[in-house]
Amino acid sequence: NAGVMQNPRHLVRRRGQEARLRCSPMKGHSHVYWYRQLPEEGLKFMVYLQKENIIDESGMPKERFSAEFPKEGPSILRIQQVVRGDSAAYFCASSDRGSSYNEQFFGPGTRLTVL
Amino acid sequence: AQTVTQSQPEMSVQEAETVTLSCTYDTSESDYYLFWYKQPPSRQMILVIRQEAYKQQNATENRFSVNFQKAAKSFSLKISDSQLGDAAMYFCAYRSLSGGSYIPTFGRGTSLIVHP
Repeated sequence: NAGVMQNPRHLVRRRGQEARLRCSPMKGHSHVYWYRQLPEEGLKFMVYLQKENIIDESGMPKERFSAEFPKEGPSILRIQQVVRGDSAAYFCASSDRGSSYNEQFFGPGTRLTVL
Repeated sequence: AQTVTQSQPEMSVQEAETVTLSCTYDTSESDYYLFWYKQPPSRQMILVIRQEAYKQQNATENRFSVNFQKAAKSFSLKISDSQLGDAAMYFCAYRSLSGGSYIPTFGRGTSLIVHP
């Protein structure tokens, strides 16, 4: 049973380019969460999605950032016109909301570097 | 809003010794979950241990145990018989059970160094 998959593991972009980060949840999981981790910081929640729906995007910056979780395929976190401050590790987690405990399983993260 | 505080940016321990990492949190709720996550250099977040607030008994997972003091809002992690592989960042996290919220709040982390 494969865990949460994220790709790429490392992504380098120049200022102004677009970054696309992908997350494939664990098999059977239909809930996906995105977090950002700045250097020497804990994880900060960005957005929570179910298939084809954004449930909670209270942690997403208002501009340049968007997320989707289509009916088929991975969840995508998209950052347009990246700036140096977007450099961080981005983690995806998934859960099976059907369980009472609803544990989130984390992927290995994508480290984004903006030059 | 809930907050999670880890007051120790870094801790050191000798191999085979015991170390305790501290965590305090602030909440007005009575039902919630608390977690400790380990983040090794590979950066994978690994769940170490979890505690349900309504349970008085402290959770234990092999060499890892917690001291959960609900009234004091304290949730420390004890690592016994420390091993070199325990070296990592450790994050304490809180998750509310009210309002359908399933989003954990993380502390800033404690870097654990294990000396051979």
